[in-house]
Amino acid sequence: NAGVTQTPKFQVLKTGQSMTLQCAQDMNHEYMSWYRQDPGMGLRLIHYSVGAGITDQGEVPNGYNVSRSTTEDFPLRLLSAAPSQTSVYFCASSYSGTGIMNTEAFFGQGTRLTVV
Amino acid sequence: GDSVTQMEGPVTLSEEAFLTINCTYTATGYPSLFWYVQYPGEGLQLLLKATKADDKGSNKGFEATYRKETTSFHLEKGSVQVSDSAVYFCALSYNTDKLIFGTGTRLQVFP
Repeated sequence: NAGVTQTPKFQVLKTGQSMTLQCAQDMNHEYMSWYRQDPGMGLRLIHYSVGAGITDQGEVPNGYNVSRSTTEDFPLRLLSAAPSQTSVYFCASSYSGTGIMNTEAFFGQGTRLTVV
Repeated sequence: GDSVTQMEGPVTLSEEAFLTINCTYTATGYPSLFWYVQYPGEGLQLLLKATKADDKGSNKGFEATYRKETTSFHLEKGSVQVSDSAVYFCALSYNTDKLIFGTGTRLQVFP
């Protein structure tokens, strides 16, 4: 039972490089999201998707792209890495939930990214 | 907009002490409220949740009550253990595609 799998776990990039953080879930969840975790700021939403082919921006989307071609995968692309993108990135997934019948969001173990 | 405010940490306690971590929220509607826990080197795990006013969420000895009148969702545990040492996040959501988190509170429990 893999749940939400993120790769890589650690990554060091040089300023200006691009890369893709991978996220896959095997629970057939419709909802998937990317968050970044920074000291003193909690987790902030970058992008999210409510289903295959549908994505939208969160609170801090600049410098990141996403796509959702399948239900299982939701990669996060850094177009031109900057030191301000040094952070821990978490992918999450959940069943669709509306109103008061929210269900649990499952998180991956995170990717620690350092941009030098 | 909606937001979540948590008490700053770290919270340092001796084993078997009583724990309270304060959480208040600002919401334009009627969200569900959550507590997530992050153990060292791991992702976040749902600890408990409450979906409407006066609901009490509970799990592993932790409890929190959704208080609409005070817009609060304080986390409590009667007797903490060393294994409870972690970072605790309060969060709100209308749909679980988007969670709004507090800044997190680090709990350190010593024997």
